[in-house]
Parts: sequence; C-alpha cells; structure tokens
Amino acid sequence: ETGVTQSPTHLIKTRGQQVTLRCSSQSGHNTVSWYQQALGQGPQFIFQYYREEENGRGNFPPRFSGLQFPNYSSELNVNALELDDSALYLCASSSTGTVGNTIYFGEGSWLTVV
Amino acid sequence: AQSVTQLDSQVPVFEEAPVELRCNYSSSVSVYLFWYVQYPNQGLQLLLKYLSGSTLVESINGFEAEFNKSQTSFHLRKPSVHISDTAEYFCAVSTLQGAQKLVFGQGTRLTINP
Repeated sequence: ETGVTQSPTHLIKTRGQQVTLRCSSQSGHNTVSWYQQALGQGPQFIFQYYREEENGRGNFPPRFSGLQFPNYSSELNVNALELDDSALYLCASSSTGTVGNTIYFGEGSWLTVV
Repeated sequence: AQSVTQLDSQVPVFEEAPVELRCNYSSSVSVYLFWYVQYPNQGLQLLLKYLSGSTLVESINGFEAEFNKSQTSFHLRKPSVHISDTAEYFCAVSTLQGAQKLVFGQGTRLTINP
C-alpha cells in the first residue's frame, strides 16, 4: 500500500474522445508525476507537477496535459485520443528536496481506446 | 539523456534456484539507480535503490544489486527464488538534479517454475 490512489481503474474510450484520469498523492508529498506504460514496455515519463506548476515534461504531444491542485492531487487529461494511447497510466508521488527520495506509484488506470 | 537496457525480456527459473536480472545504463551525468517490481495487475513497488556509498544494496526480501560504475551496470540477484517472486522487474535511473524523472528499461519477466 503506497498511499497513492488513482481513478478510474479501467475505462474504455473511443478514438477522438477526451479522457481525464485522477490521482491522489501520498500524504505530505508535493510532487506528482505521470507515466504511460504500454503493454510489454517500461513506463515512460509524461510530466511532473510541483506546487501546481509543470516541472518537467517527457516526449509527449501537447494533447497530454495536466493539473495539480492545492491539496497536491492531480489530473491527467488526454485530448483527441488515438489507438496508441491505450496503456496503463501510472501516477507517482514524492517529496522534493530530499536527495534520492523514493517515488511511490499508484496501481494505475487502464485506458483502452477503440 | 539517459537510457536503460535490460538484457533479458524473460527469465524462467526453477524454485530455489539463483537468478540474475541484468541491467545496463547510459548517462553522461551521475545517476541514481533503482529496481522496481510489478506484480500482476498492480502498480510499481520499489525493490531497492543505489544513491551513494556501498555499491552493494539489499532489499528486505532477499534481493541484492551491485552498482558497477566502470561497466555501467546494476544487476539484480537473488540466491534462491520463490514462487511469490514471479513478477515483472524494471531497472530505472534518475539524475541527481532537475525534475525527479525515472527512465525505465523495458522490463524483465521473471517466471518461477515449481
């Protein structure tokens, strides 16, 4: 149990639609990151939020966007869904300022785009 | 930029046999090194990490990994595996500064046969 909770756990969307995934970070953690894990692959970094601002972004197009709220919870939004967006989306929380601090992952949201 | 290569996509072993999961990384700057485990239909859990100091790090469930700077490797070992170790194992690196971004390998599926 990592204290990072994600919703929904599974969802199916149609190509072209929009989706919002939600994450509640571990208590005391002010940094949230999102990762995409395609089937049979390692997770890939999408972006990170710290104090409600984007603090780093991976190689993902602008239709992937996010928010972090004052309580440090976060949303991942994906517009104009494509079939290749089908993946497990993982939220991770951590506390910045600590060298090598541990990053805790939620159990993920499985997105299927049809 | 950093990259991680896990040399084996699948490793089948018999119960109580030793196992080694191989990981090599590439980076122009110093990095921290991690092994994460993903049990079926679950998120990622930190197994162990190397930040500094002793190059041999251990987990609470009998795994160990050794950082070898000259060979840029961080192989994971266990002298005697159990059925419950069946999972996907991911090697990851992060830089010491900037966004806390993990770069993962492709993963190694460890299958334990009775």
